[in-house]
Amino acid sequence: AQSVTQLGSHVSVSEGALVLLRCNYSSSVPPYLFWYVQYPNQGLQLLLKYTTGATLVKGINGFEAEFKKSETSFHLTKPSAHMSDAAEYFCAVNLNTGGFKTIFGAGTRLFVKA
Amino acid sequence: EPEVTQTPSHQVTQMGQEVILRCVPISNHLYFYWYRQILGQKVEFLVSFYNNEISEKSEIFDDQFSVERPDGSNFTLKIRSTKLEDSAMYFCAYGGDSNEKLFFGSGTQLSVL
Repeated sequence: AQSVTQLGSHVSVSEGALVLLRCNYSSSVPPYLFWYVQYPNQGLQLLLKYTTGATLVKGINGFEAEFKKSETSFHLTKPSAHMSDAAEYFCAVNLNTGGFKTIFGAGTRLFVKA
Repeated sequence: EPEVTQTPSHQVTQMGQEVILRCVPISNHLYFYWYRQILGQKVEFLVSFYNNEISEKSEIFDDQFSVERPDGSNFTLKIRSTKLEDSAMYFCAYGGDSNEKLFFGSGTQLSVL
């Protein structure tokens, strides 16, 4: 069965610093991988996704993630944090099998200090 | 981005009461989902709904839960007899292009007292 592990429930960075949010997955078949962001009192918004092809994917708001099959990882990065990036980030995996059920990680809350 | 409208945004109910949460997604999609997020916990899959039938459900989705599309547009989640532990944010979602990604509503915050 597939699962998603996000290392670190809270990450704090200074404005302008590198953002690195870690995600590891387990899956018996090639997965589809996603990062979603949740701002306070809002729903989930897709940041980026990996399905096939190029392993480095770029998303909205300057975020990108790299799929590394050998490490079963899909870490999210952003070169320079902005105050508006403060939110909860969820890594998710979808096996693209009937029902397309998406499994979410526990989430990482990102704090950005001025 | 396409919008998914969920109503109500907040629902307060007494334990044992029935609640119906509503979702109005873009009507041409076939896959619909309900997820929930208990405060401070992960987003959990409840059920997927395809072609007007449940295609998959989690262990959370017991006999107290049901889903339907009564009029072909609204997608509802009913909890027949609410329990305290049903208090959570409930998100409706539907599959996007090629069903690779999900579009989420802004959620209904359910509080069971």
